[in-house]
Amino acid sequence: ETGVTQSPTHLIKTRGQQVTLRCSSQSGHNTVSWYQQALGQGPQFIFQYYREEENGRGNFPPRFSGLQFPNYSSELNVNALELDDSALYLCASSFKQAYNEKLFFGSGTQLSVL
Amino acid sequence: GNSVTQMEGPVTLSEEAFLTINCTYTATGYPSLFWYVQYPGEGLQLLLKATKADDKGSNKGFEATYRKETTSFHLEKGSVQVSDSAVYFCALGRTVTGGGNKLTFGTGTQLKVEL
Repeated sequence: ETGVTQSPTHLIKTRGQQVTLRCSSQSGHNTVSWYQQALGQGPQFIFQYYREEENGRGNFPPRFSGLQFPNYSSELNVNALELDDSALYLCASSFKQAYNEKLFFGSGTQLSVL
Repeated sequence: GNSVTQMEGPVTLSEEAFLTINCTYTATGYPSLFWYVQYPGEGLQLLLKATKADDKGSNKGFEATYRKETTSFHLEKGSVQVSDSAVYFCALGRTVTGGGNKLTFGTGTQLKVEL
């Protein structure tokens, strides 16, 4: 079975621009979560999608938005980029959204905002 | 709100040494607890988990016991190898069913194992 894949692996943007990050979940998984990992920090939960609907959101502003598609792949969109948005963005998928379900993480997209 | 506190790194050990990485948590209710590992250039991988008090999670020689009385979930391994060098994250799951499987992570502890 294929794992969680994210694209692109690296991205450089300038302040004020918009960015779209993509994630293909592991085969058979219907739940996708996005996390932001700043340098030297643990991942911070952005939001989760289950069957194409947002199902839980962390403390991130509305300029962070997402989508989940019928094939359960997902996008993370960030508008009006700020310097502090520079981080590793991780996508994780799971078979279901149960609270103790194992998450499978991708290798991440490293976003640099200049 | 929920939070996780881990010991700061880096932790540097010689091969075959005993490892302990401390983790304590703050949460309402009874959360599931996890240890994830991140090898260089890779995504996080679940190392082990425990879902209720006194449960012991174990995998690849690593162990952690869910201690409700001390709100702790310390990671241990009896004999580390160079290949164990990575960043280890303690994480807290939601305390109620439903509403997704959000994880709250600690800041991570880097482990370096030398020959």
